[in-house]
Amino acid sequence: GENVEQHPSTLSVQEGDSAVIKCTYSDSASNYFPWYKQELGKGPQLIIDIRSNVGEKKDQRIAVTLNKTAKHFSLHITETQPEDSAVYFCAASRSSYKLIFGSGTRLLVRP
Amino acid sequence: NAGVTQTPKFQVLKTGQSMTLQCAQDMNHNSMYWYRQDPGMGLRLIYYSASEGTTDKGEVPNGYNVSRLNKREFSLRLESAAPSQTSVYFCASSEGGGTGAAFFGQGTRLTVV
Repeated sequence: GENVEQHPSTLSVQEGDSAVIKCTYSDSASNYFPWYKQELGKGPQLIIDIRSNVGEKKDQRIAVTLNKTAKHFSLHITETQPEDSAVYFCAASRSSYKLIFGSGTRLLVRP
Repeated sequence: NAGVTQTPKFQVLKTGQSMTLQCAQDMNHNSMYWYRQDPGMGLRLIYYSASEGTTDKGEVPNGYNVSRLNKREFSLRLESAAPSQTSVYFCASSEGGGTGAAFFGQGTRLTVV
């Protein structure tokens, strides 16, 4: 089955700097890659997703890149702000109703 | 706009007790899911329902049962709770298929003593 590895487990950056979180997946048939942000005491919230027919997608300060050959995808957050502090999860899925999640990255943005 | 609503938000059970976690969505989604979240392990899929009338096992189904009551509601039952089932449980829904965006509820924090 699918396995998703996520790095780093914790990330601390200065406000205004960029943050990058990386994930690798094992199932070459996976074709959908969402990223979720989870704030303390809340459920995960979708922030951006990418499908396998696209190499990069941007939405304001966040972007996701996908390298199908290497089976890895990354989340990029530019101009980080304190409100970006949260736990971020990547996930991967093929058309089987099973989103498999990475273990999460705790991002701390220092003012 | 409620989205995905879970009840209860907190629960403490004694070992061997049973309980049902309730989930309802108002987005007319076809697919619904139950995940558990443990520290350092991300979210793991317990059961899912691709459409009304169907349910299937996920990664960690042992000790759980589910019911897709109708298109809106998907419940998770613990028949005989064990301390290993102490976790935060999340319900989610999506339009359909594993390639659709999933929307999560606020979670149920369950402690089994």
